Amino acid sequence: AQSVTQLGSHVSVSEGALVLLRCNYSSSVPPYLFWYVQYPNQGLQLLLKYTTGATLVKGINGFEAEFKKSETSFHLTKPSAHMSDAAEYFCAVSRYGGATNKLIFGTGTLLAVQP
Amino acid sequence: EPEVTQTPSHQVTQMGQEVILRCVPISNHLYFYWYRQILGQKVEFLVSFYNNEISEKSEIFDDQFSVERPDGSNFTLKIRSTKLEDSAMYFCASSGLAGGGSDTQYFGPGTRLTVL
Repeated sequence: AQSVTQLGSHVSVSEGALVLLRCNYSSSVPPYLFWYVQYPNQGLQLLLKYTTGATLVKGINGFEAEFKKSETSFHLTKPSAHMSDAAEYFCAVSRYGGATNKLIFGTGTLLAVQP
Repeated sequence: EPEVTQTPSHQVTQMGQEVILRCVPISNHLYFYWYRQILGQKVEFLVSFYNNEISEKSEIFDDQFSVERPDGSNFTLKIRSTKLEDSAMYFCASSGLAGGGSDTQYFGPGTRLTVL
């Protein structure tokens, strides 16, 4: 079975500081990994995803994530936080070779950016 | 940019009543999904739908739930007899390629269902 753990339900950073949101996964098969962002009163928007190939994945809005198989991690980072980054972030995993790509989500991390 | 839309944004119903949540997926997409998020909990998969039939469903998706694509554009989730524990945000999603785990799913803004 697959699962996702996001450490830290709330993370607060200062504007301009490094953003680090942690995600660890469990999967018995090669995973596909996703980060989604949810702004208030909006749906989930894909930030980036890892399927195969390069383990450092760049996404929208300056975010990137690195797939580390040895650590079963897919942490999300951004060098310099902006006020507009305040949102909830969800890590998700789906199944390689599955008939459909059911997403299994973590519990989410609410990012606050202080001026 | 194409987007997934959902109506209504908020639905309030009495326990035992039937509700239908509506979604319009992105027009050339082939795979459709429903997820839900109970307040304070994680987003959970309910069901996936392809080629006019359910391709996968979770344990949550019992006989009280059904999905339908009544025409070429809408995708609906029906709950026949709502329970208090059905109160949640329901998200519709769609993806367009050949299926499989690497497809990007595009999510709608959600319908908040409140069962009284």
